Amino acid sequence: QSVLTQPPSASGTPGQRVTISCSGSSSNIGSNAVNWYQRLPETAPKVLIYRNNQRPSGVPDRFSGSKSGTSASLAISGLQSEDEADYYCAVCDDSLNGLVVFGGGTKLTVL
Amino acid sequence: QLQLQESGPGQVEPSETLSLTCSVSGGSISSCTYYWGWIRQPPGKGLEWIAIIYCDGSTYYNPSLTSRGTISVDTSKKVLSLNLRSVTAADTAVYYCARRGAYSDSWVDPWGQGTLVTVSS
Repeated sequence: QSVLTQPPSASGTPGQRVTISCSGSSSNIGSNAVNWYQRLPETAPKVLIYRNNQRPSGVPDRFSGSKSGTSASLAISGLQSEDEADYYCAVCDDSLNGLVVFGGGTKLTVL
Repeated sequence: QLQLQESGPGQVEPSETLSLTCSVSGGSISSCTYYWGWIRQPPGKGLEWIAIIYCDGSTYYNPSLTSRGTISVDTSKKVLSLNLRSVTAADTAVYYCARRGAYSDSWVDPWGQGTLVTVSS
């Protein structure tokens, strides 16, 4: 069972906006910056959002992150077929000596 | 561009030792701005960071490994290694090597492609 809670699946049609939630606690999300990773089929995971809401160069601005209290969210607007992937939230956990913990992952399907 | 490439046995018998290596190319493995480690994902489960090594050689292991793991770095060969002793079916997973910034607000980048390890007789 993962330390961070994500919905196992999400879906949307092209052009829609989809939101993926990530719930944690005061020792992780409540205290530290959240990162989001995208794993496309048959590829290595890559960072999608870092420090709660920052996008690395090359990541479209359709992807956005936010954090409030002990929860975080990833929003994808203008959904495209190539967004079909697994998404993971991650954050350091102060109760585990700063070890990075992950959410269980959300499989996004573009209908 | 920094690239990581894992190598592993594919299949290991229960109670044996699993040995994984990760070759680093395109950058340094010695910088203290980062730490290195192994992340795994059992089938149908989430990601789990299991072992970390810092630039000074200090290590940290996820308690879930129950003291069975040893992580090391050969800086001259730019190879990260993981040995996991007394494996069981619960150690069946895709294993990724990865680099992360050394600060609490850092992130993992890059990841290796991952190598699937199946524990079975």
